[in-house]
Amino acid sequence: GENVEQHPSTLSVQEGDSAVIKCTYSDSASNYFPWYKQELGKGPQLIIDIRSNVGEKKDQRIAVTLNKTAKHFSLHITETQPEDSAVYFCAAYATNTGNQFYFGTGTSLTVIP
Amino acid sequence: EAGVAQSPRYKIIEKRQSVAFWCNPISGHATLYWYQQILGQGPKLLIQFQNNGVVDDSQLPKDRFSAERLKGVDSTLKIQPAKLEDSAVYLCASSLVLGASPLHFGNGTRLTVT
Repeated sequence: GENVEQHPSTLSVQEGDSAVIKCTYSDSASNYFPWYKQELGKGPQLIIDIRSNVGEKKDQRIAVTLNKTAKHFSLHITETQPEDSAVYFCAAYATNTGNQFYFGTGTSLTVIP
Repeated sequence: EAGVAQSPRYKIIEKRQSVAFWCNPISGHATLYWYQQILGQGPKLLIQFQNNGVVDDSQLPKDRFSAERLKGVDSTLKIQPAKLEDSAVYLCASSLVLGASPLHFGNGTRLTVT
């Protein structure tokens, strides 16, 4: 099936700095790439997504970029705040390998006040 | 809109016992998923339903896991008998349509098998 790799596994930043999380995927037919934020004891919550016909999307302090040629996509969080601390998951919707979502292994982000 | 509801929130059982989880998706969402999330990993699909029909259960360990979606709304996931390696968070998600559509997750059921 699709293989989604996510880096780094942990990330600590000072409040106000930027955070970048990167993911790669293997199925060239994957066409939808959401990012989820998971707080302790809660389910993943969609924060931003991008489709394969778009290279970049921004929503306030959060942006996602997609490079289809290289098969990688990244989450950018600017002006980080303590409430951004959580585990972030990338995912890819694969159409060649099962028509389902494949998730990365997660990045634990800590924003230090 | 009300989110995806799951119960119970926590469950502790001994190996070889049985357990059931319940999920109520967002109203109007045709597609329902059950995911297993082992500590430190991303969610892994167990089964997906479109209305009350199974779309994909290829990753469901059918010798011990079963799931149904009654009348195309609520769903239950059952494990019988449970093994130690079944300890995980079981997440239910729903989406408006089948395919590359945003998933809405519930808060999950944390299962501990001792």
